[in-house]
Amino acid sequence: DQQVKQNSPSLSVQEGRISILNCDYTNSMFDYFLWYKKYPAEGPTFLISISSIKDKNEDGRFTVFLNKSAKHLSLHIVPSQPGDSAVYFCAASYSGTYKYIFGTGTRLKVLA
Amino acid sequence: EAGVVQSPRYKIIEKKQPVAFWCNPISGHNTLYWYRQNLGQGPELLIRYENEEAVDDSQLPKDRFSAERLKGVDSTLKIQPAELGDSAVYLCASSLDRFQGAYEQYFGPGTRLTVT
Repeated sequence: DQQVKQNSPSLSVQEGRISILNCDYTNSMFDYFLWYKKYPAEGPTFLISISSIKDKNEDGRFTVFLNKSAKHLSLHIVPSQPGDSAVYFCAASYSGTYKYIFGTGTRLKVLA
Repeated sequence: EAGVVQSPRYKIIEKKQPVAFWCNPISGHNTLYWYRQNLGQGPELLIRYENEEAVDDSQLPKDRFSAERLKGVDSTLKIQPAELGDSAVYLCASSLDRFQGAYEQYFGPGTRLTVT
């Protein structure tokens, strides 16, 4: 039972263009969502998060959008850079549990 | 500031052998997590500590896995005996405790275990 799904295993984008990574969840109790970036042979690195009381959070080139009715969130990277090439994981949790459910990841390749 | 430290980075053992992984969290982080990441999957929680107390070990296969966090700082995860299906990357993460309202976890580089 995959509660957090990243249905696109990979994505290729030209440098300078927008990258959009998607994540769907099934548990309506989730109220906090995070995105992590992972380079090979390294642990995941926290990127950006969003609480369910918001529908958008922005940090530099990274913006996360949350659509609670659709149980969907997306990470936008604008403009994409070759250094953004990595595996991106979304994760979800609900209040008080501090238990994070991760998706399976999307491998982003930004082409120079 | 040093990040989460894990050792060893790689380990190859034969099945039925024991193995142990060590983690040193970021200084001041009271919450520590052990995750297992199988190939092509996201990390899955094995156990979470708040200080010395294991507050969530529901996903830890207790017949062969054990963990400890003495003095609420370093932690060790052990597998005895290892099985072929235990081959995975074992990740340690830490965060400030929930009373500080912190949600972000900081991960170590992981230990890649291969069981032959």
